Amino acid sequence: DAGITQSPRHKVTETGTPVTLRCHQTENHRYMYWYRQDPGHGLRLIHYSYGVKDTDKGEVSDGYSVSRSKTEDFLLTLESATSSQTSVYFCAISESARDYGYTFGSGTRLTVV
Amino acid sequence: EDQVTQSPEALRLQEGESSSLNCSYTVSGLRGLFWYRQDPGKGPEFLFTLYSAGEEKEKERLKATLTKKESFLHITAPKPEDSATYLCAVQPNSGYSTLTFGKGTMLLVSP
Repeated sequence: DAGITQSPRHKVTETGTPVTLRCHQTENHRYMYWYRQDPGHGLRLIHYSYGVKDTDKGEVSDGYSVSRSKTEDFLLTLESATSSQTSVYFCAISESARDYGYTFGSGTRLTVV
Repeated sequence: EDQVTQSPEALRLQEGESSSLNCSYTVSGLRGLFWYRQDPGKGPEFLFTLYSAGEEKEKERLKATLTKKESFLHITAPKPEDSATYLCAVQPNSGYSTLTFGKGTMLLVSP
């Protein structure tokens, strides 16, 4: 996806370990978002950022934290991974809150064993 | 609380067989309604934004329409390459206006 990359693309981790997922954008967009996608639930918002060091919680934020020290990077940390956090994680960016749509990354498939 | 319900959950069509996908929503003031397409293993790809009841947008074989309570994605004479999951999302007219998504409709078009 042009202008937004997620890393890693796949990860397997053990229960109880911390995990950090990275979202990097080259579009200089102000807004960045982390969603998770699970069968039967669709896309659910975890956290979002409306500027450097400005973040807020979404619908399913328990067990997750985020940081944004630079415009281009938005990190999602699972403080102590649990099996319920096995999911596909998508990062998205937008130029403004009143945007024409989000641009999504390719996703990170995380498996917690 | 904003809610988005998409139906049907899955739809199988023959090539050339036109149909519609439904997105019903409740939101405290609608800023925009979005349609996305998602292919397996990829992130959602933006298709349309609709802002007010009566608005319509078209792209190739797809046409999106909006009323005060629902949106339809009409697919005319679909082709196998239209097979994907179609996602609907609403953006409220308040705060930072994050998107709330429906669960999607999985469309399969057979040749």
